[in-house]
Amino acid sequence: DTEVTQTPKHLVMGMTNKKSLKCEQHMGHRAMYWYKQKAKKPPELMFVYSYEKLSINESVPSRFSPECPNSSLLNLHLHALQPEDSALYLCASSQGDREAFFGQGTRLTVV
Amino acid sequence: KQEVTQIPAALSVPEGENLVLNCSFTDSAIYNLQWFRQDPGKGLTSLLLIQSSQREQTSGRLNASLDKSSGRSTLYIAASQPGDSATYLCAAPNSGYSTLTFGKGTMLLVSP
Repeated sequence: DTEVTQTPKHLVMGMTNKKSLKCEQHMGHRAMYWYKQKAKKPPELMFVYSYEKLSINESVPSRFSPECPNSSLLNLHLHALQPEDSALYLCASSQGDREAFFGQGTRLTVV
Repeated sequence: KQEVTQIPAALSVPEGENLVLNCSFTDSAIYNLQWFRQDPGKGLTSLLLIQSSQREQTSGRLNASLDKSSGRSTLYIAASQPGDSATYLCAAPNSGYSTLTFGKGTMLLVSP
């Protein structure tokens, strides 16, 4: 199983809402990532968890809050987002120097 | 910091043609390089991973090569089909980390 599962697939939220994006993998990978992708741009790294500890935070605004409850799950909590935060949010996992696998993404629209 | 460039930005070909997508990277101290496919509005599908010890990797009609010394990789697609239409992204790891830096991609359109 080389699947990374993200839920929901689509999310529309108001600027005062709180929502969460979820990501799950069962490949035994110990590194999990959140990337953000704007239209017609490449994915950009937001956060990296390694062995369930936050190891890289690419100066992302505090309205994005990651959480790694266990080695298979990764959440991204969203609060008070802005319309410019509308994007495709991609979760990925990998192990060491091996292949990285990405999920199908959550298309987020902030209204 | 790793920088990745892909040429061309867009490519339109008739069905059946063989084609080459190019990728260059600035930090050659990489341990692998990965090619992805992305359909509109969808996630990334891994196509090929080339380890630094390899020069080529093949999967079906796809062949990827890696030349670390020149900082280049190519993705060769044989006998292209309309179903190959997508954006192809090259990604190189950042030095000392497992994170990836992506090129801006090549948008491929294969016409019947």
